[in-house]
Amino acid sequence: EVQLQESGPGLVKPSQSLSLTCSVTGYSITSNYWGWIRKFPGNKMEWMGYISYSGSTSYNPSLKSRISITRDTSKNQFFLQLNSVTTEDTATYYCARRYGGYRAFDYWGQGVMVTVSS
Amino acid sequence: DIQMTQSPASLSASLEEIVTITCQASQDIGNWLAWYQQKPGKSPQLLIYGATSLADGVPSRFSGSRSGTQYSLKISRLQVEDPGIYYCLQGYSAPPTFGGGTKLELK
Repeated sequence: EVQLQESGPGLVKPSQSLSLTCSVTGYSITSNYWGWIRKFPGNKMEWMGYISYSGSTSYNPSLKSRISITRDTSKNQFFLQLNSVTTEDTATYYCARRYGGYRAFDYWGQGVMVTVSS
Repeated sequence: DIQMTQSPASLSASLEEIVTITCQASQDIGNWLAWYQQKPGKSPQLLIYGATSLADGVPSRFSGSRSGTQYSLKISRLQVEDPGIYYCLQGYSAPPTFGGGTKLELK
């Protein structure tokens, strides 16, 4: 069974970087696409970006140059870094598998709530 | 970006009632439309992909349809476990975009 688990700090100070890890079991991240999605207070959902089976990345233009998604295939993990965070980045962050055949996210982590506050 | 306009924003319905939620795409997205259910404290669960295909393990009372650029999710007989927030997601072009969500409650 495919399982994803996010980990990382729940509190980040403004202007600092947010770093999260997604650990995947039951499936290799060298297949399909692996993304980060966040849900803001008030329920708005935003796709942030993904890393592909080959290691190429695609990002939401709204995040401009603040975002980076990388991976460690030896650990079957992928990572999110979001720089220069503000209070507007307070959200629940999810990692998920994007199944190419569906162009939809079919397996999700449980989510980690990140608060940006001084 | 493709805009997904979801309606209604909230909905209250009775057990066994038929419920319909819609998403209007701002341009043609073909059948690249998925529906999700999210319950409090849980991650979103894929219900429908390809606009009309039922995901594994999803009860058959859920169904999806398409008319042009309007997409609908129908729950044929609302059950006690169905309340939550429902989202549509277009996967036609980057960036993938979500509808604003529909909060479904039991009356």
